[in-house]
Amino acid sequence: EVQLVESGGGLVQPGGSLRLSCAASGFTFSSYWMSWVRQAPGKGLEWVANIKQDGSEKYYVDSVKGRFTISRDNAKNSLYLQMNSLRAEDTAVYYCARGRRELLLDWGQGTLVTVSS
Amino acid sequence: EIVLTQSPGTLSLSPGERATLSCRASQSVSSSYLAWYQQKPGQAPRLLIYGASSRATGIPDRFSGSGSGTDFTLTISRLEPEDFAVYYCQQYGSSGALTFGGGTKVEIK
Repeated sequence: EVQLVESGGGLVQPGGSLRLSCAASGFTFSSYWMSWVRQAPGKGLEWVANIKQDGSEKYYVDSVKGRFTISRDNAKNSLYLQMNSLRAEDTAVYYCARGRRELLLDWGQGTLVTVSS
Repeated sequence: EIVLTQSPGTLSLSPGERATLSCRASQSVSSSYLAWYQQKPGQAPRLLIYGASSRATGIPDRFSGSGSGTDFTLTISRLEPEDFAVYYCQQYGSSGALTFGGGTKVEIK
């Protein structure tokens, strides 16, 4: 059974940093593209970033470029999102998802990030 | 950047009725790169349809997808109580980015 468990969310002040983690199990982690998708309270889905199987390609939504960094550790079956210079508009539930370059096959349950003073 | 517009915003229907959800793209989208997801309150989204018309593993055949170019449709042939949820379309663009539509809420009438 595919399992994706996010952690690292919490309350952070504007301008602060946070690192999200996603622990994967139940599949060959190194064989899949991995993504982060967020959902602001009461709003729709917004793709944030994704990373190729070997980490050689990474893509970001324009609003987080230069502030967020996606990475992965295939030896640890883990995905990460380093978030710097956080803004109020980054407040959301952040989901980890496995899939293909163009598709999100399975999703974790999400971790809430709140940016507020 | 391709923008996906979903309509209607809310669809009020009764169990057993047919639901037709629309997803319109601002530019042509490859059918291979158009997907639909279902999200129930408090839950993570779930993949329903990929490649515009292929059902994901375990998805009942009352769900079907169709369309090409800029117009895509998700149809639920007969609504079951568990189908009342929010539905999102999603496309993949040549820039490497994924884009979601704003969602359609299917609610009980």
